[in-house]
Amino acid sequence: DAGVIQSPRHEVTEMGQEVTLRCKPISGHNSLFWYRQTMMRGLELLIYFNNNVPIDDSGMPEDRFSAKMPNASFSTLKIQPSEPRDSAVYFCASRPLGGKGNQPQHFGDGTRLSIL
Amino acid sequence: ELKVEQNPLFLSMQEGKNYTIYCNYSTTSDRLYWYRQDPGKSLESLFVLLSNGAVKQEGRLMASLDTKARLSTLHITAAVHDLSATYFCAVDVASGSRLTFGEGTQLTVNP
Repeated sequence: DAGVIQSPRHEVTEMGQEVTLRCKPISGHNSLFWYRQTMMRGLELLIYFNNNVPIDDSGMPEDRFSAKMPNASFSTLKIQPSEPRDSAVYFCASRPLGGKGNQPQHFGDGTRLSIL
Repeated sequence: ELKVEQNPLFLSMQEGKNYTIYCNYSTTSDRLYWYRQDPGKSLESLFVLLSNGAVKQEGRLMASLDTKARLSTLHITAAVHDLSATYFCAVDVASGSRLTFGEGTQLTVNP
């Protein structure tokens, strides 16, 4: 059973460039989450989708960040223009919607982003 | 705003010893999750605790939840080196969707 798949695993780019991170959730999981992990701020939820619809984007740091989920098997997180303070590990997670919270979120391997 | 605090943040222990990691949270919730993260790796789900008094065990790890005290514990029994990792608790206020993570406890088990 394939887990959450993220690409690329590593990205190094210069400030001002557009960055696109990609995520494929586990098949059948209809909730998808984007997190950012840094030493200073820990793990932060950026945005999450239920059934491809954005539910809560209050964690998106600013307008330079945008996320889409065009279908049930694909999501993107875009940063344009990128800045050095965006350097972090970005995780995507998924879980089945509904139930009583007894299904944990399953995390991908993350994208390690460095903005020079 | 929900706050989740873990204690201690750093823990160095010898193999064979027992220890407990604490997770306190600031608002009512009856759903709490524990995750493990190895350096440079993803987060792996360890336990899902869904009610007051819930206790779950897996190998040398046991987690419990006291919703009245807003406290969860992760107890390590007879630690081994392979348990060295960072452990996160996460509290949910929206049926598994809106998780707030603690700062993480970095555990090092020394031979």
